[in-house]
Amino acid sequence: AAGVIQSPRHLIKEKRETATLKCYPIPRHDTVYWYQQGPGQDPQFLISFYEKMQSDKGSIPDRFSAQQFSDYHSELNMSSLELGDSALYFCASSLGGQGHHEQYFGPGTRLTVT
Amino acid sequence: KQEVTQIPAALSVPEGENLVLNCSFTDSAIYNLQWFRQDPGKGLTSLLLIQSSQREQTSGRLNASLDKSSGRSTLYIAASQPGDSATYLCAATANAGGTSYGKLTFGQGTILTVHP
Repeated sequence: AAGVIQSPRHLIKEKRETATLKCYPIPRHDTVYWYQQGPGQDPQFLISFYEKMQSDKGSIPDRFSAQQFSDYHSELNMSSLELGDSALYFCASSLGGQGHHEQYFGPGTRLTVT
Repeated sequence: KQEVTQIPAALSVPEGENLVLNCSFTDSAIYNLQWFRQDPGKGLTSLLLIQSSQREQTSGRLNASLDKSSGRSTLYIAASQPGDSATYLCAATANAGGTSYGKLTFGQGTILTVHP
């Protein structure tokens, strides 16, 4: 069965650079969630999209932005990177934007900021 | 604000033992509760989803229960195996006044080690 695809899997950036993370949800899933997991931490919700519209927002810095495109893939854009942005970034997808359905997570993008 | 707590933080058991992982949440108005497994440096694998109207779900050697009134969920693992060694996370989906957009609030996880 198709799973959530994230690219790239690993990314190394320097401080103040920008990064773009991509997420391709499971086919027919219309909802995408982004989470950030710092070292030794539990995942923290950043932002979500349902049918290409932002549906909810968590602790996402103003330096970050995201969108969901017409084919339902999503991109997380991160600017002015800081050392503290180093983390695993997960994308999850589900069917329906109301939270009734199981969320399926991608393998994550490991971002290292040096 | 929903807070999710898991105990114990770490658990080490011999192979073959039955074990229980605990999860508690502060806001009983949840839509559903999901249990995940995470191997070191890897992604999250969904194990079980319990919707708010359900009391338990079973998958193979795993059984998860949900008691909304007490704000608790448990994950029962039968006949544990070394391959079960991983971090187990529970996460709740908030119900904000009858509306939920699905964001998960995670507990800190229980690190399980099953030794041969």
